[in-house]
Amino acid sequence: SQELEQSPQSLIVQEGKNLTINCTSSKTLYGLYWYKQKYGEGLIFLMMLQKGGEEKSHEKITAKLDEKKQQSSLHITASQPSHAGIYLCGAANSGGYQKVTFGIGTKLQVIP
Amino acid sequence: DAGVTQSPTHLIKTRGQQVTLRCSPISGHKSVSWYQQVLGQGPQFIFQYYEKEERGRGNFPDRFSARQFPNYSSELNVNALLLGDSALYLCASSPAGGRAFEQYFGPGTRLTVT
Repeated sequence: SQELEQSPQSLIVQEGKNLTINCTSSKTLYGLYWYKQKYGEGLIFLMMLQKGGEEKSHEKITAKLDEKKQQSSLHITASQPSHAGIYLCGAANSGGYQKVTFGIGTKLQVIP
Repeated sequence: DAGVTQSPTHLIKTRGQQVTLRCSPISGHKSVSWYQQVLGQGPQFIFQYYEKEERGRGNFPDRFSARQFPNYSSELNVNALLLGDSALYLCASSPAGGRAFEQYFGPGTRLTVT
């Protein structure tokens, strides 16, 4: 079965600083999702990457999928308190149905 | 447009009881998926339904069942509740066609089993 490892598991940054969260898959990715979750709430869709080398941006958040499609990174530029939350990467299923296998998440705190 | 809605928001049940959770997808979305998120973990896939048919099932016991109605809303049913079933239950809906990969999640139902 596919497993996703996220690093770091927890991150505390000063407002205005840049940061990167990594997601590594045990198998080649069919597609990779990034979601944000406020504690105990639903997930907010950020973006999905499918092609090797693909890069997408959503406001100040940029995500990349490596050429081999086994690693993705999420980069936040000039972090703000509104960026605080749990960032989850998820692997899309290639079996014809919409199962997403999620990592454990990275908890981000932004200190004003 | 309204997003995915789930009810109830919170629920407390006793071991051995049964529970039904409800989900209404975004208007026009025909696919609904259910996930279980235990505290400190990522969500785990339980079921996907599309056009009222089960399309995928995760590694959960038969105590978990679901169905989808003609209006595409869905119910998740859990029988013989265990303490380990305490979790946030998330529902996600997806559009059809080229945007089928987009999954929009509801706020979740927090289930506590005592």
